[in-house]
Amino acid sequence: QSVLTQPPSVSGAPGQRVTISCTGSSSNIGAGYDVHWYQQVPGTAPKLLIYDNNNRPSGVPDRFSGSKSGTSASLAITGLQAEDEADYYCQSFDSSLSTWVFGGGTKLTVL
Amino acid sequence: QVQLQESGPGLVKPSQTLSLTCTVSGGSISSGSYYWSWIRQPAGKGLEWIGRFYTSGGTNYSPSLKSRVTISVDTSKNQFSLNLTSVTAADTAVYYCARMIAARSDYFDSWGQGTLVTVSS
Repeated sequence: QSVLTQPPSVSGAPGQRVTISCTGSSSNIGAGYDVHWYQQVPGTAPKLLIYDNNNRPSGVPDRFSGSKSGTSASLAITGLQAEDEADYYCQSFDSSLSTWVFGGGTKLTVL
Repeated sequence: QVQLQESGPGLVKPSQTLSLTCTVSGGSISSGSYYWSWIRQPAGKGLEWIGRFYTSGGTNYSPSLKSRVTISVDTSKNQFSLNLTSVTAADTAVYYCARMIAARSDYFDSWGQGTLVTVSS
């Protein structure tokens, strides 16, 4: 069981907006540690999508956005495209475990 | 643009030591701005951080793996390595090396393609 909790799956039609939640606790997200998001197309390595809660690396479309509040964070994807179909992971630091932690991952299906 | 490439045996016998090397190109591993990490992912499962080293010579390891893990560096070859001792089937996974950016909650901005290691007799 992951320290950061994500829904196992979400889905949406092309052009729609979807959100993926990442729920933590007072020893990670709630302690003020930033949240980062990764996109992993099956069979490939994860790719940094959002860093420091809401920043996009160069080359990541502005359809992807992140937010953080309290002990949770969210990734929003607008204007869904077929190429967005992938697994998405959140990541932060946990002070109780003294380790960097990931969510269990969310599989996005574009209908 | 930095690139990372993992290499090592794809099959390790139970109780033996898993050894992998990550070769970094397009940037110096000695740069003080980054940390260098290992992460693994069992088939169909999530990501697990294993450990990291930083150029001042320090290392950090996951508490759950600390007793079995060693990360070392060869700056002359721009490589860093992972040793995981006393492996079992539970250590079967795709192993990634990654560059880590120092931040309030450090994150991984560049990843290797990953290498599958199977623990089996």
